[in-house]
Amino acid sequence: GDSVTQMEGPVTLSEEACLTINCTYTATGYPSLFWYVQYPGEGLQLLLKATKADDKGSNKGFEATYRKETTSFHLEKGSVQVSDSAVYFCALAAGGTSYGKLTFGQGTILTVHP
Amino acid sequence: DADVTQTPRNRITKTGKRIMLECSQTKGHDRMYWYRQDPGLGLRLIYYSFDVKDINKGEISDGYSVSRQAQAKFSLSLESAIPNQTALYFCATSDPGLAGGQDTQYFGPGTRLTVL
Repeated sequence: GDSVTQMEGPVTLSEEACLTINCTYTATGYPSLFWYVQYPGEGLQLLLKATKADDKGSNKGFEATYRKETTSFHLEKGSVQVSDSAVYFCALAAGGTSYGKLTFGQGTILTVHP
Repeated sequence: DADVTQTPRNRITKTGKRIMLECSQTKGHDRMYWYRQDPGLGLRLIYYSFDVKDINKGEISDGYSVSRQAQAKFSLSLESAIPNQTALYFCATSDPGLAGGQDTQYFGPGTRLTVL
């Protein structure tokens, strides 16, 4: 079945450091890929997405590129801020009988210190 | 006002009690979902509904039931709560859009349920 694997956290960085959170997936066909972010005490919200191979999603300084050859969708940011502290979830939406449903990774906790 | 609301936000109950979690949305979306979140496990799908007459089991539906009262309302029930149902529960909605492509899901703020 479909699955998403994220790098284990927690990740702790100083402000202005570079961030990479690794995400790899297993799915049949050509899934859409997402990064969701959960700020403390809130629900998840979409950060960025990509719907086909080589697409790059970007938002709020974060980027991720859909790499079909390596089945990866790593999240990157060049300079993190304290306000980026949150839990980040990689997810995929496959087709076929899984159409419309999201499969999530386990989440990565990011803490950014001043 | 929030587009997806959940009530209650927090609930403590005892083993064996029946409990209902409610979700309402003002986004006009046909699709609604219930997930549970456990530390280290991400979110897992409990039930989903693509329209008022369509209800489907997700990955972990045992011990849960749902009701889609209207396009805007989707309730999750635990008929006889047990401690391992202690978790954070999220409702979500989505709209496939005109192209019918894979759609973004919009989440409520969550309900923290504790079963003693």
